[in-house]
Order: sequence, then C-alpha cells, then structure tokens
Amino acid sequence: DGGITQSPKYLFRKEGQNVTLSCEQNLNHDAMYWYRQDPGQGLRLIYYSQIVNDFQKGDIAEGYSVSREKKESFPLTVTSAQKNPTAFYLCASSILNTEAFFGQGTRLTVV
Amino acid sequence: QKEVEQNSGPLSVPEGAIASLNCTYSDRGSQSFFWYRQYSGKSPELIMFIYSNGDKEDGRFTAQLNKASQYVSLLIRDSQPSDSATYLCAVTGRRSNYKLTFGKGTLLTVNP
Repeated sequence: DGGITQSPKYLFRKEGQNVTLSCEQNLNHDAMYWYRQDPGQGLRLIYYSQIVNDFQKGDIAEGYSVSREKKESFPLTVTSAQKNPTAFYLCASSILNTEAFFGQGTRLTVV
Repeated sequence: QKEVEQNSGPLSVPEGAIASLNCTYSDRGSQSFFWYRQYSGKSPELIMFIYSNGDKEDGRFTAQLNKASQYVSLLIRDSQPSDSATYLCAVTGRRSNYKLTFGKGTLLTVNP
C-alpha cells in the first residue's frame, strides 16, 4: 500500500520536553512538508524539503527542527523552545510542483 | 498582503444548490493550484488541481483559474450534505521555491 504514515496519532508532551513526530512515505516523492493546524485555522508551513539532506524553513519554523537523511523519512522535532506546541501536525509529500498527499496527522497536546 | 486568501465563511447553501468558493493569491509567478477538502479532525484530501487558465471539470466539481486576476475558484454543483467541510486553496510555483502555501480555508455547510 502506497502512502504517507504519520506516527503517533496522539502525543502528549510535558513542559520543557522535546518530542519527535514521525513521517514516512513510500510514494517515491522528492518533496516533503510539515504543517501545523490550530483549531479553526488553515495550514501553516513549518519546514519543507525537496531533496535528501536539504530543507528550508517555512513560515513558523521557530521552536522546530527537522532532518532529511532518507528520501522516505522527514521527522519533525518539537523542541522546548516552542512555547505553544498544542496543535494538529500534518505531514505531506509530493512530486515537485504537483499535488501533495497528506498523512493522517498527529495531535500533540502539552500536559 | 497574505500569500493565499480565502473567505473564512461560513458559507451556507441549500442541498442541490451551487456552492462557489474563491481564492486569491499574491505571487504572480505561481504555477500550480489545488483545492483540498478537510473534514473536521481529519487530514486534507485533494479535490481538484489546475495549472492552466480556464475551467477544469471533474464530476460535480469545476475549478476555474484566472492568472491575470490571480484568482482561482471552485464550484460545487448539486451540493450534498456530505460536501459540508472546510475547503482549502493551495498554491505553489518555481518562484516561491516550490513552497506549497495554503489559505485559511472556507467552511461550507450544505443544509438538507
């Protein structure tokens, strides 16, 4: 089955803790994206990557970090510097300049 | 000016009517345009994509692109209650380094 898998579906973070969200795709897509969605809001771009070992900051990169060591994988770390991390996180992948396909999302809550 | 703008709604239409959703974008060099549907609590799913000026039809959905006016729209004919969702417009292009940018979305409610 081809697609994008995000894990976990739900994640709880304590204050001051770093957490890593997983995103894996087997679609052979070059581009991968991380978005954050807050209730009633659209998707805001955190980071994106067009090629292995390279990535660019999106509109709200502060407090987040990523890596792209393999084409299939684009994990997102939410660091303790992100002061308001509670949100719905969406990973997507695409062939460059074409439609993106999304994973099921990870709902992160600070406890 | 925001890169991609949509009316947040809510837009309410009766069942069977035509729903019209609009989107404007600021980067004149944008090349690819997408409409996604997102049900509450779920991830977005692609409805339509359009690359050239004019209309593109797929079943009950029609995407319209006017690059001169920097405007893209989505028409939903014979609206059904199951069409009730948030519709997101997205734009990308070479000049933005292929950053895929979304609008805030328009909430559509189709009343039976």
